[in-house]
Amino acid sequence: QKEVEQDPGPLSVPEGAIVSLNCTYSNSAFQYFMWYRQYSRKGPELLMYTYSSGNKEDGRFTAQVDKSSKYISLFIRDSQPSDSATYLCAMRRTQGGSEKLVFGKGTKLTVNP
Amino acid sequence: DSGVTQTPKHLITATGQRVTLRCSPRSGDLSVYWYQQSLDQGLQFLIHYYNGEERAKGNILERFSAQQFPDLHSELNLSSLELGDSALYFCASSPRGGTSTDTQYFGPGTRLTVL
Repeated sequence: QKEVEQDPGPLSVPEGAIVSLNCTYSNSAFQYFMWYRQYSRKGPELLMYTYSSGNKEDGRFTAQVDKSSKYISLFIRDSQPSDSATYLCAMRRTQGGSEKLVFGKGTKLTVNP
Repeated sequence: DSGVTQTPKHLITATGQRVTLRCSPRSGDLSVYWYQQSLDQGLQFLIHYYNGEERAKGNILERFSAQQFPDLHSELNLSSLELGDSALYFCASSPRGGTSTDTQYFGPGTRLTVL
């Protein structure tokens, strides 16, 4: 079983829709949870960063963590064509005294005008 | 623009060859991380250097090696290349040693094609 599972999609929605992206994980050692956005032919960029269970909001983006279910989500409200990208969840845990970042495979999102 | 630079952008080479990928971290960042991204495996952590010293290893093959120089730039060396090494290679940097609150900033990547 992979440490982090993410549905690769692709996901196609109309402009203005609410988008829900999800990841599950198996290792309870993960303490920090992140969402990265990756545009085509670019490097990933950090969108959201959360530590505890609960919700964190930043503009149109809400990150949700449920540690009891080992489940994290990213919601995008009023989605825009510029949100079209691949979204990667990432989780951080300690390995041998250093922090290790484990990524999901990414979900490709297309927002149609 | 994240401030992390990687060269070259594209590299095409043949099986059995050796290549070197270069990364310059953001100004002031002490940590450099290397990742490999392929369609089937996703983004895989390879290795982490902090201020010139190896800090952590991930799924890095023995044919691959890396180092971080005193000016903090880093190089990833890939040798005896195989078709399966074709992938995007990303470098990321962070201010400190990869602690829990450190954010990693990714470069634009080097696309390696092995023919």
